[in-house]
Amino acid sequence: DTGVSQDPRHKITKRGQNVTFRCDPISEHNRLYWYRQTLGQGPEFLTYFQNEAQLEKSRLLSDRFSAERPKGSFSTLEIQRTEQGDSAMYLCASSATQGTDTQYFGPGTRLTVL
Amino acid sequence: SQELEQSPQSLIVQEGKNLTINCTSSKTLYGLYWYKQKYGEGLIFLMMLQKGGEEKSHEKITAKLDEKKQQSSLHITASQPSHAGIYLCGAELSGYALNFGKGTSLLVTP
Repeated sequence: DTGVSQDPRHKITKRGQNVTFRCDPISEHNRLYWYRQTLGQGPEFLTYFQNEAQLEKSRLLSDRFSAERPKGSFSTLEIQRTEQGDSAMYLCASSATQGTDTQYFGPGTRLTVL
Repeated sequence: SQELEQSPQSLIVQEGKNLTINCTSSKTLYGLYWYKQKYGEGLIFLMMLQKGGEEKSHEKITAKLDEKKQQSSLHITASQPSHAGIYLCGAELSGYALNFGKGTSLLVTP
């Protein structure tokens, strides 16, 4: 399967703990995006990378959130001191070059903060 | 910021019936994407529209972008249980991030 993959698929954690998610994009894609989706809502943009550079961050990305893409391949999203409000589906997408660069999504990581 | 309104919010149709989902933008659309999502899963890309008046079809699903580029519709002909899911429209924000509507939940009954 050469699609976008995410790990883990599910994460249950206690409030105050740190969590890290991983995303592996489609291999030839140089853009990578993180979104967050809560029940009954569409995905909300968090941040995106072009190669290893983080080019845009949403105001939704608080100081407790950090994302990296160290070698321009896979990416990690870390949430420190998790809160119950962080419970959501975290989606990763990747796309190729400019123009009609369709974003292809991974299966998501569902986070539950107890 | 750009707002995307989808209607209806939810839809229940009998198998074999046709249906239409609408996506209306508060601003001109420069790239409109349709995705489908099964509950608890990721988004599956359906179609992308850019030009006013553009229409694309894939199997029994047709998407259109109106001439003024502020509304798109998704039409399913002869619906099947496999069409059930959440349909999301997304539009490009500044840069390459997408802004999404809240989605339309479709249930197809036998």
